[in-house]
Amino acid sequence: KAGVTQTPRYLIKTRGQQVTLSCSPISGHRSVSWYQQTPGQGLQFLFEYFSETQRNKGNFPGRFSGRQFSNSRSEMNVSTLELGDSALYLCASSWTSLSTGELFFGEGSRLTVL
Amino acid sequence: QQQVKQSPQSLIVQKGGISIINCAYENTAFDYFPWYQQFPGKGPALLIAIRPDVSEKKEGRFTISFNKSAKQFSLHIMDSQPGDSATYFCAAQTGANNLFFGTGTRLTVIP
Repeated sequence: KAGVTQTPRYLIKTRGQQVTLSCSPISGHRSVSWYQQTPGQGLQFLFEYFSETQRNKGNFPGRFSGRQFSNSRSEMNVSTLELGDSALYLCASSWTSLSTGELFFGEGSRLTVL
Repeated sequence: QQQVKQSPQSLIVQKGGISIINCAYENTAFDYFPWYQQFPGKGPALLIAIRPDVSEKKEGRFTISFNKSAKQFSLHIMDSQPGDSATYFCAAQTGANNLFFGTGTRLTVIP
């Protein structure tokens, strides 16, 4: 059974640009969550999508947005990139939005902003 | 504001020793406390989890101890092995809401 797939794995952008990251969840999983991982802050919750609807949102500025498609694949977008957006962005999927704790994470997309 | 506080930031243990990582929380509505293990270049993976109705849960060499009154929980790794070297994250969740993660502990087990 294929795991959570994130693309691209690595990317480099410059300040002011925008970026789109993609996540394909495990087959059958309907919930997709996004996390930002940095050395100082650990894993910070960005948002969760379930059945194409954003169900939860973390404390990030509006430059961070996402969406989910009917096949449960999800994308997140960061506009007007800042140096501080450099991080590992992790996507996690689970069966339903009511699942408790067992998230299946992808390997992440490492974004470097220059 | 960090919902879950984790310590230590890094830990070095001799092979065969006991590794202990501690976490504390304030929100008494949290009702699920998982631990995740992350190896370099990989995403975190669920290791073990506990609910507040029990004080301890053991799975192999890994044990969670939970102190509801103190709002603290900890991970104990018995007979630590070099293969346990990874970053460990505690987390907490309430109901169907998102997980709040600690800042992580980098464990190094020296052969």
